[in-house]
Amino acid sequence: LAKTTQPISMDSYEGQEVNITCSHNNIATNDYITWYQQFPSQGPRFIIQGYKTKVTNEVASLFIPADRKSSTLSLPRVSLSDTAVYYCLPWGTGRRALTFGSGTRLQVQP
Amino acid sequence: EPEVTQTPSHQVTQMGQEVILRCVPISNHLYFYWYRQILGQKVEFLVSFYNNEISEKSEIFDDQFSVERPDGSNFTLKIRSTKLEDSAMYFCASSETSGGANEQFFGPGTRLTVL
Repeated sequence: LAKTTQPISMDSYEGQEVNITCSHNNIATNDYITWYQQFPSQGPRFIIQGYKTKVTNEVASLFIPADRKSSTLSLPRVSLSDTAVYYCLPWGTGRRALTFGSGTRLQVQP
Repeated sequence: EPEVTQTPSHQVTQMGQEVILRCVPISNHLYFYWYRQILGQKVEFLVSFYNNEISEKSEIFDDQFSVERPDGSNFTLKIRSTKLEDSAMYFCASSETSGGANEQFFGPGTRLTVL
């Protein structure tokens, strides 16, 4: 299982773009990169998933370089409600368990 | 939007007692999961369930734990004899398929307090 490394915490201000980078040097060929968000006392929530290059949805963008050894979650124009813990997880076909690390605690200030 | 529901939201029990945590997964999902999160710690995988049997379990999921899908909608986690260290948030999740380009939908959790 690929080990992931993310910053423990990040601070930002409302309206700014936030980029959270995750390194996963030994990610398996079949693994996707998945990002989840968790608010205090709530269950994790899926944000975005990708395999290579760039994926964008209504919430975020995910950038994955060709070597797939890292990925960057981009949150455009964050608001106070984006204050949460963000987890990067590799997840592959046939494996059911999600393995959560410590995540990145994002604090958005007014 | 369909969602996973869990009951109760908070359960307080005495050490040694049995508890059953209940979950209603999203109706067309086929895979079901239980995770737990001790206060201030990581979310930990406990067990996955598919086609009426356990498909994967972690070291945490020992003989004190069991899961069941008693009918077409509910998915339960039973802890036979609770310990103080079982105090945690327990999250149920479900997904349409396993792995690949898919996502797990988590419920709001049950906070279990063992006294």
